[in-house]
Amino acid sequence: LAKTTQPISMDSYEGQEVNITCSHNNIATNDYITWYQQFPSQGPRFIIQGYKTKVTNEVASLFIPADRKSSTLSLPRVSLSDTAVYYCLVGDVTGGFKTIFGAGTRLFVKA
Amino acid sequence: EAQVTQNPRYLITVTGKKLTVTCSQNMNHEYMSWYRQDPGLGLRQIYYSMNVEVTDKGDVPEGYKVSRKEKRNFPLILESPSPNQTSLYFCASTLQGSTDTQYFGPGTRLTVL
Repeated sequence: LAKTTQPISMDSYEGQEVNITCSHNNIATNDYITWYQQFPSQGPRFIIQGYKTKVTNEVASLFIPADRKSSTLSLPRVSLSDTAVYYCLVGDVTGGFKTIFGAGTRLFVKA
Repeated sequence: EAQVTQNPRYLITVTGKKLTVTCSQNMNHEYMSWYRQDPGLGLRQIYYSMNVEVTDKGDVPEGYKVSRKEKRNFPLILESPSPNQTSLYFCASTLQGSTDTQYFGPGTRLTVL
């Protein structure tokens, strides 16, 4: 399983765009990149998943460069309610269900 | 409503007293997993199951047991709890392994005195 590295914490202000980068240098060909959001004392919640280039949904965008050794989660115009921990995961279906979450990035959005 | 449920939500117990935390999902998912979360350490996988009667160790399996006798249930068993197992525990399920969306339960906060 590919290990991931993220910044421990980030601060932002309401209305700004936030970009959180995850490094996964040992990503394998079959690996997908998935991001989760977790609020205090709640289980993580799926945000977005991608394999390459760019993926966008109603919540976020995910940018993956050609070498796939990193990925960037982009949250447009954050609000106070986006304050949470964000986890980047790398995994593939052939690896079964073994999952490594890592410590995540704590995003704090200020008014 | 599609969901993962865990019981109990909160538990205070004493060292050595066997306990079971139940997990149940109603989405007919093949895969289920248990995680523990400790401050500054993120989520660490304890055990996972890819199907009925198929389980495997995650990163921190010591001191825990699991069973998967039916698809919807995946209980976590602590035969002899110790204080270092005080933690927040999450159960999750997914249809098709780690590339699929994992659905998490609400968590069980366990304190072992």
